[in-house]
Amino acid sequence: AQSVTQLDSHVSVSEGTPVLLRCNYSSSYSPSLFWYVQHPNKGLQLLLKYTSAATLVKGINGFEAEFKKSETSFHLTKPSAHMSDAAEYFCVVSDSGTGRRALTFGSGTRLQVQP
Amino acid sequence: EAGVTQFPSHSVIEKGQTVTLRCDPISGHDNLYWYRRVMGKEIKFLLHFVKESKQDESGMPNNRFLAERTGGTYSTLKVQPAELEDSGVYFCASSQIPFGTGPDGTDTQYFGPGTRLTVL
Repeated sequence: AQSVTQLDSHVSVSEGTPVLLRCNYSSSYSPSLFWYVQHPNKGLQLLLKYTSAATLVKGINGFEAEFKKSETSFHLTKPSAHMSDAAEYFCVVSDSGTGRRALTFGSGTRLQVQP
Repeated sequence: EAGVTQFPSHSVIEKGQTVTLRCDPISGHDNLYWYRRVMGKEIKFLLHFVKESKQDESGMPNNRFLAERTGGTYSTLKVQPAELEDSGVYFCASSQIPFGTGPDGTDTQYFGPGTRLTVL
């Protein structure tokens, strides 16, 4: 069975400082990993995805994530936070080897950006 | 291109009543998914349609929930009768790659804004 653990429920940073949102996963097969973001009163938007190509994945709005198999991690980073980054972020796994399309979500990390 | 749309955006009903949620996927997307997030919990998968057929309904919580996708276009999710624990946000998603082709699991799912259901 697959699972995702987001290590922080809330992260607060100052505008212009780096962002680190941590995610660990467990998967029986070769996983596909995603980060989604949900801004207030909006739907879930895909930030980036890892699908066994390059381990460093670049996404939208300056975000990137690195797949580390030895650490079973897929942390999300951004060099400089912007006020508009305040939102809830979800780390998501899909087991490509099972043939199922169901996504498994982490519990979410709420990012607060202080001026 | 229009995204995934859901209706209504909010619904407040009494325990024991019936509610029907609607999802319109992105045009041309054969795969349609329902997920929900109940208060304080993770977003959980409910089921997956391929066109009008239920491919995977392993996440449906009980027989009070009925999902349909007649004609393979929009989908409805009916809750009858609603219970207090059904309160939460119901998300719909759609994706493009035909099921069974390519590396399953890497198909990007595009989500709608969700329907917030409150059962009193």
